[in-house]
Amino acid sequence: NAGVTQTPKFQVLKTGQSMTLQCAQDMNHEYMSWYRQDPGMGLRLIHYSVGAGITDQGEVPNGYNVSRSTTEDFPLRLLSAAPSQTSVYFCASSSGTGGTNTEAFFGQGTRLTVV
Amino acid sequence: RKEVEQDPGPFNVPEGATVAFNCTYSNSASQSFFWYRQDCRKEPKLLMSVYSSGNEDGRFTAQLNRASQYISLLIRDSKLSDSATYLCVVKPISGGYNKLIFGAGTRLAVHP
Repeated sequence: NAGVTQTPKFQVLKTGQSMTLQCAQDMNHEYMSWYRQDPGMGLRLIHYSVGAGITDQGEVPNGYNVSRSTTEDFPLRLLSAAPSQTSVYFCASSSGTGGTNTEAFFGQGTRLTVV
Repeated sequence: RKEVEQDPGPFNVPEGATVAFNCTYSNSASQSFFWYRQDCRKEPKLLMSVYSSGNEDGRFTAQLNRASQYISLLIRDSKLSDSATYLCVVKPISGGYNKLIFGAGTRLAVHP
C-alpha cells in the first residue's frame, strides 16, 4: 500500500551541485507532477507528465529537468543547485483529467537546503 | 494578484467551535474545486471536493459561489485533531491534465 514514494526525505547540497529527487508510484496513474512549497506561498508546479515519454513545463521549471521513461517513475533533476531552490518538494500522481472526483496523491516530500 | 487567495490565519479556536475559511480565485473559467488538508511537515491530502450545489462530509461543509468566485469551508464542533493547514485548490480548464492551482493555505489551531 505504498502510494507515492519520494526519496530522499532530507538533503543538503552545496551551490552548484546536481542531484536527482526520486518519485515512484504504484497506482498505475498516468499523471505525475512535481511541486515546490515555500513559506507563504501555495504549492507551485515545476514539471508534469501525462504519461510515459511525455513531459511538460509547469509554472517554475527553470533549473529543473524531468523524464518519464516508465509509468511508475518520475525523477526530478536539479542541474546546478542554487540557494533559491531551497524548498520542500512534493511529487504527486493522479488518474483522470482532474474532474471533481479526481484526487491527487502526494509523496511525503523532500526537504532540500542549498548552502 | 494570486490565482487563489486565502486568509493565512492562524485561526485559534477552542474545541467545539465552528470556524469558516474563505478562498477566492481569479480564473472565472475554473473547472473543479477542492479542499486539501496539510498537517505540519506532512504532505497535502484531499479533504473534500467542492460541488456547485455545496456538499457536506460529517462536520465539514463546502460551498462554491461561481458568480463571486468564492469557495468556503465550514468546520463544526472543532476537534483538536482538526489542527492543520487547509489548502484551497482550483483546477482551471486547461486540456486533459490535472493541473492544480494551490492557495497558500489557512492555518487552524484548535485548543482545549
